[in-house]
Amino acid sequence: GAVVSQHPSWVICKSGTSVKIECRSLDFQATTMFWYRQFPKQSLMLMATSNEGSKATYEQGVEKDKFLINHASLTLSTLTVTSAHPEDSSFYICSAPGGKGAEAFFGQGTRLTVV
Amino acid sequence: GDSVTQMEGPVTLSEEAFLTINCTYTATGYPSLFWYVQYPGEGLQLLLKATKADDKGSNKGFEATYRKETTSFHLEKGSVQVSDSAVYFCALSDGAGTALIFGKGTTLSVSS
Repeated sequence: GAVVSQHPSWVICKSGTSVKIECRSLDFQATTMFWYRQFPKQSLMLMATSNEGSKATYEQGVEKDKFLINHASLTLSTLTVTSAHPEDSSFYICSAPGGKGAEAFFGQGTRLTVV
Repeated sequence: GDSVTQMEGPVTLSEEAFLTINCTYTATGYPSLFWYVQYPGEGLQLLLKATKADDKGSNKGFEATYRKETTSFHLEKGSVQVSDSAVYFCALSDGAGTALIFGKGTTLSVSS
């Protein structure tokens, strides 16, 4: 089946620095990529939708300037957490949609810890 | 808007016990329904799915039936194993290219 590779799987950074998370579709082209955030023991909340060749669409309450999303090509989408703070510590997961009735393909997730 | 509600956890069972995790949904159309599993420290893996009413999804001994009349998609397994300990998410998809809508997740802990 389709594979989505997310990197890094975990990262620790200092407050005020920026962190980039990459999500690649390895054997298919993804014109759309969804970015989710998961707080401890909670569900996945959709943050934004990246679209190849156009601006990302952000969900209500998500800071566009803090969470920069770029869909550089049909196989690569990136999420950059800018000026990270401890409250940004979370599990971030990307996902490429399947067709109707088909499952979505998830990356392995990135555990971000800001110290 | 569309939503998914699943039973609160944690669910704690002994090995070989019967498992049910309830999931109900609200949707305006005819969504596809999924169960995903998340093992500690890992991403989500599709467990099973159903795309239309009365469909039964099954995998690794787990089953769930798409019940339109009760808007439910309950997850069941006849005999759980310690290795089934994980967080289970019920989710729906409105259609092609749309983001999944997840329930809050249910933590299952199985002891030997």
